[in-house]
Amino acid sequence: NAGVTQTPKFQVLKTGQSMTLQCAQDMNHNSMYWYRQDPGMGLRLIYYSASEGTTDKGEVPNGYNVSRLNKREFSLRLESAAPSQTSVYFCASSGSSPLHFGNGTRLTVT
Amino acid sequence: AQSVTQLGSHVSVSEGALVLLRCNYSSSVPPYLFWYVQYPNQGLQLLLKYTSAATLVKGINGFEAEFKKSETSFHLTKPSAHMSDAAEYFCAVRVNAGGTSYGKLTFGQGTILTVHP
Repeated sequence: NAGVTQTPKFQVLKTGQSMTLQCAQDMNHNSMYWYRQDPGMGLRLIYYSASEGTTDKGEVPNGYNVSRLNKREFSLRLESAAPSQTSVYFCASSGSSPLHFGNGTRLTVT
Repeated sequence: AQSVTQLGSHVSVSEGALVLLRCNYSSSVPPYLFWYVQYPNQGLQLLLKYTSAATLVKGINGFEAEFKKSETSFHLTKPSAHMSDAAEYFCAVRVNAGGTSYGKLTFGQGTILTVHP
């Protein structure tokens, strides 16, 4: 089925380790987004890419970097993970339609 | 800056009862408003959206919402709850005022809906 695919589904990191969360969409959408979800706080935008070749900071970008590899793929990198980055991360995409979300990556930093 | 407030982090209803989930927004420009639903261990799915057309918006699964500018509200309702409606619901407002980008959304804190037999 068409949609947004995120990998991995689960990850446990130690403080200071790095990792990249992968996201790919097959709906030919121009825009892609990374959100984090924390209990009682809804979803907060980390970074977004309005179109291929552009990226911009969202509400909570500190500690993260992103790469829009091509139109399909948008990755999120944690260079030095911290316990405060324990969260569920959602990738989403949109064209002329509202957001389509992936199923999330549950990240725990110990 | 746009923002949304969802009143009530938990709502509990009996099966067959009315569902009412409250959302108030703040926006300096005419808003686009959305309701999303999240089932356990899944991503968010769009229930319905308001984009300045009809003020009463019908969505999937029997849900609807009414945009009331005078009350800055966009409450979600369903006449008769079903067990399968148990999930977390998020209200959201679009941040940027122009263009076709739907993605820069500001989300409310979420409301967990429990449905009792």
